[in-house]
Amino acid sequence: ETGVTQTPRHLVMGMTNKKSLKCEQHLGHNAMYWYKQSAKKPLELMFVYNFKEQTENNSVPSRFSPECPNSSHLFLHLHTLQPEDSALYLCASSPTPTTGKLFFGSGTQLSVL
Amino acid sequence: SQKIEQNSEALNIQEGKTATLTCNYTNYSPAYLQWYRQDPGRGPVFLLLIRENEKEKRKERLKVTFDTTLKQSLFHITASQPADSATYLCALDMGNQGGKLIFGQGTELSVKP
Repeated sequence: ETGVTQTPRHLVMGMTNKKSLKCEQHLGHNAMYWYKQSAKKPLELMFVYNFKEQTENNSVPSRFSPECPNSSHLFLHLHTLQPEDSALYLCASSPTPTTGKLFFGSGTQLSVL
Repeated sequence: SQKIEQNSEALNIQEGKTATLTCNYTNYSPAYLQWYRQDPGRGPVFLLLIRENEKEKRKERLKVTFDTTLKQSLFHITASQPADSATYLCALDMGNQGGKLIFGQGTELSVKP
């Protein structure tokens, strides 16, 4: 275990549904990230939070809404998604954004029907 | 913009041999280059980090080289084992981007007994 826990592991949702992905880290890190991994494509950074403040939004559509209530928890709220949003969504953390290596969770495999 | 290319084809080798994976990048050299391992349905796991002023880094059976002239990093696994079978990702950290790693698409390694 990496110390980063994501729930749920799998999610199937319709285009009109609203759902949330949850990430929790037990490592005492101050930076948290959301990445998207589509089949056969590189990981794409979506959002970066440092000490609960969003420091990066990589031109992500507004149907993805992140929330970071504290340094240990990160959410990704989903609404009105498209089938092309189906992917593995990975949460990661690091001591600070400039520390280097990332600790990833196991991801949520999302399917949008 | 910065681009990364890893061996696009899957790499199949015999147990006991050395696996060599390639990561090439365009444009300017990163401050750090990282290698991760990813198993199916799991998040990436950090393996090694090498700085731009380092030529080589070792950790047990793993060795990473970094050639800023060739704009290339090589990742070696010596005495490979079937348990080394996974996808290996390289990632560039430009050092001033607040945690924004640029990932390659990964190379799938299969080690046959």
